[in-house]
Amino acid sequence: GIQVEQSPPDLILQEGANSTLRCNFSDSVNNLQWFHQNPWGQLINLFYIPSGTKQNGRLSATTVATERYSLLYISSSQTTDSGVYFCAVSPRYSGGGADGLTFGKGTHLIIQP
Amino acid sequence: GAVVSQHPSRVICKSGTSVKIECRSLDFQATTMFWYRQFPKKSLMLMATSNEGSKATYEQGVEKDKFLINHASLTLSTLTVTSAHPEDSSFYICSASGLWGSSYEQYFGPGTRLTVT
Repeated sequence: GIQVEQSPPDLILQEGANSTLRCNFSDSVNNLQWFHQNPWGQLINLFYIPSGTKQNGRLSATTVATERYSLLYISSSQTTDSGVYFCAVSPRYSGGGADGLTFGKGTHLIIQP
Repeated sequence: GAVVSQHPSRVICKSGTSVKIECRSLDFQATTMFWYRQFPKKSLMLMATSNEGSKATYEQGVEKDKFLINHASLTLSTLTVTSAHPEDSSFYICSASGLWGSSYEQYFGPGTRLTVT
């Protein structure tokens, strides 16, 4: 099946710093999503971005589908940004419809005050 | 964004009993629902995919007779863990995808923490 690798696995930053999280995937995708998992386990949708660039406030994401990677940028980090960030993909099949997601192992981000 | 709920949020049961977990899409019709499992400090693993009115498709290694999935309507899917054992203790999370045009975005429920004693 499709492989998803996230880097770095852990990241510790001071408040106000910028960060870049990377997601590499091994095959063409029709779905790529970035999530933030809060301390209670809820997955919060950040971006649906199988290709292109999107921005939402201090967060932005870019997926270069032809090179099979995606980047999540967090600017001016705040302590509330701490948590685990997951990248998840589903491969592009010939059929239509949604398919289950394959998750990377996540990046554990700690923002220190 | 779309809202997905799960019930219960936390359940403790005795070994050998069965537990049912509900997943509902509150403000949209879910053409497809998914069930995932997450162990502590680990990533999420897809267990099964269900479409309304048809049998679920299970991932390799997931016992379909142990994890019964029913998707009776476009807003409700249930996961029943039958004859639960301590190794079934885990965090179970559902997701749902609707008719978003060309988008396949999934929205996740808050999860159910199952402890089998």
